[in-house]
Amino acid sequence: DSGVTQTPKHLITATGQRVTLRCSPRSGDLSVYWYQQSLDQGLQFLIQYYNGEERAKGNILERFSAQQFPDLHSELNLSSLELGDSALYFCASSVGLGTGESYNSPLHFGNGTRLTVT
Amino acid sequence: AQKVTQAQTEISVVEKEDVTLDCVYETRDTTYYLFWYKQPPSGELVFLIRRNSFDEQNEISGRYSWNFQKSTSSFNFTITASQVVDSAVYFCALRISTSGTYKYIFGTGTRLKVLA
Repeated sequence: DSGVTQTPKHLITATGQRVTLRCSPRSGDLSVYWYQQSLDQGLQFLIQYYNGEERAKGNILERFSAQQFPDLHSELNLSSLELGDSALYFCASSVGLGTGESYNSPLHFGNGTRLTVT
Repeated sequence: AQKVTQAQTEISVVEKEDVTLDCVYETRDTTYYLFWYKQPPSGELVFLIRRNSFDEQNEISGRYSWNFQKSTSSFNFTITASQVVDSAVYFCALRISTSGTYKYIFGTGTRLKVLA
């Protein structure tokens, strides 16, 4: 168990709809990353937050947005869903920046949310 | 360019064979970390190992071993006496520091099929 919790595990919705994916990082981790993995594809970086602030953006569509709350949990909002948005969405956390333990801390991944858009 | 190349898209071996998964990386940074992750058919991503750029010692953990060579920018992963449970997609990743944060660059993964 990585300690990263993602909900829901599965989500089935229709095109045009909006969904919210939730992530609770490991205790003590300040940094949260979101990744998208389409069928038989690699991991596409979407966005990263550190202690509530956006730190880096990857290939995130304008229809997608995210935030990290004061309790450090994060939500990824996907709107105007299209069939091509069907994928496994991962959240990962790490201690964050700095020295000491954070310097060699790996990313710990949640089990992912499998989104199916019909 | 900063990137990770896993040239082997899919490998099939028979149980008990040894198999090596290749990972070649490119980075301008002198300080970086390398990681391997395993994604079994159930879908979760499991952290296997990290290695920093200053530590070229090879590592062995049971049937798993890792060979880090800075001279060839490679961080290869060998499974000895493979088992069916090793069947998974394996990702190699590079972590660099950029713009005040850490960026993780993943390879495209190698799907390993171990046949009984």
